[in-house]
Amino acid sequence: IQLTQSPSSLSASVGDRVTITCRASQGISSDLAWFQQKPGRAPKLLIYAASTLQSGVPSRFSGSGSGTDFTLTISSLQPEDFATYYCQQLNSFPITFGQGTRLEIK
Amino acid sequence: QLLESGGHLVQPGESLRLSCAASGFTFSGYAMSWVRQAPGRGLEWVSTLGTTGGTYYADSVKGRFTVSSDRSRTTLYLQMNSLRGDDTAVYFCAKYSLGASGRLFDPWGQGTLVTVSS
Repeated sequence: IQLTQSPSSLSASVGDRVTITCRASQGISSDLAWFQQKPGRAPKLLIYAASTLQSGVPSRFSGSGSGTDFTLTISSLQPEDFATYYCQQLNSFPITFGQGTRLEIK
Repeated sequence: QLLESGGHLVQPGESLRLSCAASGFTFSGYAMSWVRQAPGRGLEWVSTLGTTGGTYYADSVKGRFTVSSDRSRTTLYLQMNSLRGDDTAVYFCAKYSLGASGRLFDPWGQGTLVTVSS
């Protein structure tokens, strides 16, 4: 199952609302997760099951979607949110990741 | 909670075994996975060891890599044979479990770097 994220990169300002989309090549129910990764660090789980916020993750992060189309929304960007974001499908093997979305400071 | 080790510089064709040690929990009842990231690239799932011992591999490593654990299910291994240049990456291990509403990879280790070069 291929996952296509858009955009590949994004420039935004602190306080902006940002949306990243992830499209699956076939239906994956709600078996989708979102990760944040900063340089030199391991990925950090933000959202799983498409819309469940992982414990400890700020509520400005939210996820939605099912089937083939999913979104990650950051309601009000904070300085620490500038990073690369990945979606991941866990519906079937091989598990796959999107190519990533780099979120940069405008 | 997860600590990988074993990564270093090897020549093409050589073998290497990575370890992932869990602290504070055992793998019993959980699946465990390896994910890698080549320099400047995205995340690539490599392998999963299931709760009942089943194994799953990416096509890129099938037949060359083997995932396993110790009997106490506190250390995960990745035996990598016939290494190639495109295996160069940081290798992460992650717990693959069933949360309140679905499956998730969490937590992750900090990663260990494997470099394949002559």
